[in-house]
Amino acid sequence: EAGVAQSPRYKIIEKRQSVAFWCNPISGHATLYWYQQILGQGPKLLIQFQNNGVVDDSQLPKDRFSAERLKGVDSTLKIQPAKLEDSAVYLCASSLWTNTGELFFGEGSRLTVL
Amino acid sequence: GQQLNQSPQSMFIQEGEDVSMNCTSSSIFNTWLWYKQDPGEGPVLLIALYKAGELTSNGRLTAQFGITRKDSFLNISASIPSDVGIYFCAGQARGSGGSNYKLTFGKGTLLTVNP
Repeated sequence: EAGVAQSPRYKIIEKRQSVAFWCNPISGHATLYWYQQILGQGPKLLIQFQNNGVVDDSQLPKDRFSAERLKGVDSTLKIQPAKLEDSAVYLCASSLWTNTGELFFGEGSRLTVL
Repeated sequence: GQQLNQSPQSMFIQEGEDVSMNCTSSSIFNTWLWYKQDPGEGPVLLIALYKAGELTSNGRLTAQFGITRKDSFLNISASIPSDVGIYFCAGQARGSGGSNYKLTFGKGTLLTVNP
């Protein structure tokens, strides 16, 4: 069974530039999550999708972050314009059920903003 | 928002020693989970606990769901070098809207095992 795929693995941009991350969840997993993990911290939920609908985006900085999952499968997370404090690893995860907490994570996309 | 206090922040032990780490919260959770993250990888689920008081083992790992539903611990017995990594506790509860489940992670315990 293929795991959660993410790209790119690494990205370096200057502040005020834009960046996009892509995620393809495990086949059949209806729930998809984007987490932000700052160095030395645990993952923090940015947005949760159930199929192609948003379940929770309460911690997404909507003035600069956007995410979509148009066909209920893969997803993109965009940051525009980026700030220095956005430097982090962006983790995508998927789960079969929404109420178990059993998430499967991708390897993450490491963003450095200069 | 809900916060988890995970301790210790880091541990340095000798191979073969047992390890214990714990997680506490001021909020009640209906599920406790423990994840491990290796460098450059995403977290991987180790153990999930669904009932207060539940004690669950997975090989050399044992975890318990506190009876108050506000804490959990993870024990690793007879540690080996590949146990090195960051261990995260995570608690799940219903979101404020009532229809979704929110998963909150602790800050992690960095484990180093000296061969």
